[in-house]
Amino acid sequence: DTAVSQTPKYLVTQMGNDKSIKCEQNLGHDTMYWYKQDSKKFLKIMFSYNNKELIINETVPNRFSPKSPDKAHLNLHINSLELGDSAVYFCASSQTGSYGNTIYFGEGSWLTVV
Amino acid sequence: KQEVTQIPAALSVPEGENLVLNCSFTDSAIYNLQWFRQDPGKGLTSLLLIQSSQREQTSGRLNASLDKSSGRSTLYIAASQPGDSATYLCAVVNNAGNMLTFGGGTRLMVKP
Repeated sequence: DTAVSQTPKYLVTQMGNDKSIKCEQNLGHDTMYWYKQDSKKFLKIMFSYNNKELIINETVPNRFSPKSPDKAHLNLHINSLELGDSAVYFCASSQTGSYGNTIYFGEGSWLTVV
Repeated sequence: KQEVTQIPAALSVPEGENLVLNCSFTDSAIYNLQWFRQDPGKGLTSLLLIQSSQREQTSGRLNASLDKSSGRSTLYIAASQPGDSATYLCAVVNNAGNMLTFGGGTRLMVKP
């Protein structure tokens, strides 16, 4: 069973479009994250949600809007896509208070904006 | 603001060698430190997690150490194999336990 699953895995879209990436975790964790990995392979946190509440929102354009309908889901909606949004987006989850807060990552969603 | 640096950025070794990957961080107020492996086109796999109160963790041929006061961690890989070829990422978790800050990674190539 996949612990953290993201869809779609690959997405090619034109500038100006709006797109969503979905994430689901079946680990029963209370915290979920979105990370962005750019072309230089640097991984940076974008958002963190704990029990459906936003707790971290790094400097991310407001074109990016996360939505957490429940603890098991954290979706990422991106409006008016730009070329610079091309990256790999990773969803992750962890459980507060568990051993070391081990974080589990999804396989990533490769977004290409053309 | 926490900054994590990994050296070297890339490493190529012959099979069988023991090797050390380095990670340094600027803020010693961490909850824990984690080492991950990333294969091309794949997600991240957690290798080892060291709590802030611990000095090292071992899993098979991997040994990770942590010196919180100096802001350093090392990942030691014994008897390297071609299957170890991947990017290794170091990440520190903040004191609140809710955010990882990643280093830039070390791309390892183990040649048969």
